[in-house]
Amino acid sequence: EVVMTQYPATLSVSPGERSTLSCRASQSVNTNLAWYQQIPGQAPRLLIYSASTRAPGVPARFSGSGSGTEFTLTINSLQSEDFAVYYCQQYNYWPPYSFGQGTKLEIK
Amino acid sequence: EVRLVESGGGLVKPGGSLRLSCAASGFAFTRAWMNWVRQAPGKGLEWVGRIKSGGATDYAAPVKGRFTISRDDSKTTLYLQVSSLKIEDTAVYYCVAVVNGSPADPYFDYWGQGTLVTVSS
Repeated sequence: EVVMTQYPATLSVSPGERSTLSCRASQSVNTNLAWYQQIPGQAPRLLIYSASTRAPGVPARFSGSGSGTEFTLTINSLQSEDFAVYYCQQYNYWPPYSFGQGTKLEIK
Repeated sequence: EVRLVESGGGLVKPGGSLRLSCAASGFAFTRAWMNWVRQAPGKGLEWVGRIKSGGATDYAAPVKGRFTISRDDSKTTLYLQVSSLKIEDTAVYYCVAVVNGSPADPYFDYWGQGTLVTVSS
């Protein structure tokens, strides 16, 4: 099973600043990686797939990069609605499709 | 508009069973790979299992042999039969569709709002 590790567990950032969230896979998953945003009380929402492709309707301030075992989600100019929990997920090896444990992005 | 609406959750005793349903609309359900993902209270996301178009299934190790995924394409409905329930199965269960992805790129692009299953004596 591929283990996904996200860091940091919590990130405190001020509105308007940039944040960088990281995700590491225990073995190469090529670019078969997605990022999801979960606002408290809501279902997760797809942000990025294929490591760097934004899903329809996702603002351009969200960008993904990486391949192999190291991936990054960058959010530029943080807005109030961006404070949420973010999960990475690999879909290169299945079953199972494995998720990271999440990074909570909180207001500083 | 893609819609996924789960139902069937509730309170059940350890060892009990439930059947969760997910009514789907707004996309070609018969061609879509469908998944169940769960989230224990205050915890992260855990993939439960998947059913491909055509009916082949895969399950996560913690639920294999206890949970069964099925689909009724005529009703565009996905099911999750959960049996031999344990306390640790308590979670919100999300129905998730692969609509714009493909078998080679099966990212989860649509999620339902979830249904809560609570296992407690």
